[in-house]
Amino acid sequence: EAGVAQSPRYKIIEKRQSVAFWCNPISGHATLYWYQQILGQGPKLLIQFQNNGVVDDSQLPKDRFSAERLKGVDSTLKIQPAKLEDSAVYLCASSLVGGGSGNTIYFGEGSWLTVV
Amino acid sequence: AQTVTQSQPEMSVQEAETVTLSCTYDTSESDYYLFWYKQPPSRQMILVIRQEAYKQQNATENRFSVNFQKAAKSFSLKISDSQLGDAAMYFCAYRSADSNYQLIWGAGTKLIIKP
Repeated sequence: EAGVAQSPRYKIIEKRQSVAFWCNPISGHATLYWYQQILGQGPKLLIQFQNNGVVDDSQLPKDRFSAERLKGVDSTLKIQPAKLEDSAVYLCASSLVGGGSGNTIYFGEGSWLTVV
Repeated sequence: AQTVTQSQPEMSVQEAETVTLSCTYDTSESDYYLFWYKQPPSRQMILVIRQEAYKQQNATENRFSVNFQKAAKSFSLKISDSQLGDAAMYFCAYRSADSNYQLIWGAGTKLIIKP
């Protein structure tokens, strides 16, 4: 079974530039998550989708971050304009909705962002 | 609100020995899930083991096992026969059985394996 796919793996941009990250979840997974993980910390949830609807985006800095999941499958996370403190790994994850093994969240390899 | 605490920022163990990583959590819920994730330097978060709160039997996956004490709200991870490839950050996480299914994370424990 294919895992969660993310791209690009690495990105270096200057502050005030924009960047976009793409995620393709595991086939059949209705729930998709974007996490931000700053070095030395645990992941912080930015946004959670169920199909193409937003379940929780309370920690998403909406003045500069946006995310969409138009057809309920792939998702894009955008940052514009980027700040130095946005340097982090952006982890995409997915899960089934429901009981049993559906409660496990599977992660992609992450997209490393460095803002200089 | 639920919280997860990992009190050991760093642990080290000799290769082939056994090590236990601690995790405690706070919740008023009775139905939930607990997870241990491993994050190597590549930064991918890899599921190690999961435990359903309604199950009394401790979960086991090969060299990895947990000691789940529901009343004490404790969920420790035991790694037997430690290998160099086990070196990583280990995160404990809690997930409610309610509709949002969000993960609550501990701060992580860095595991060092000494050859």
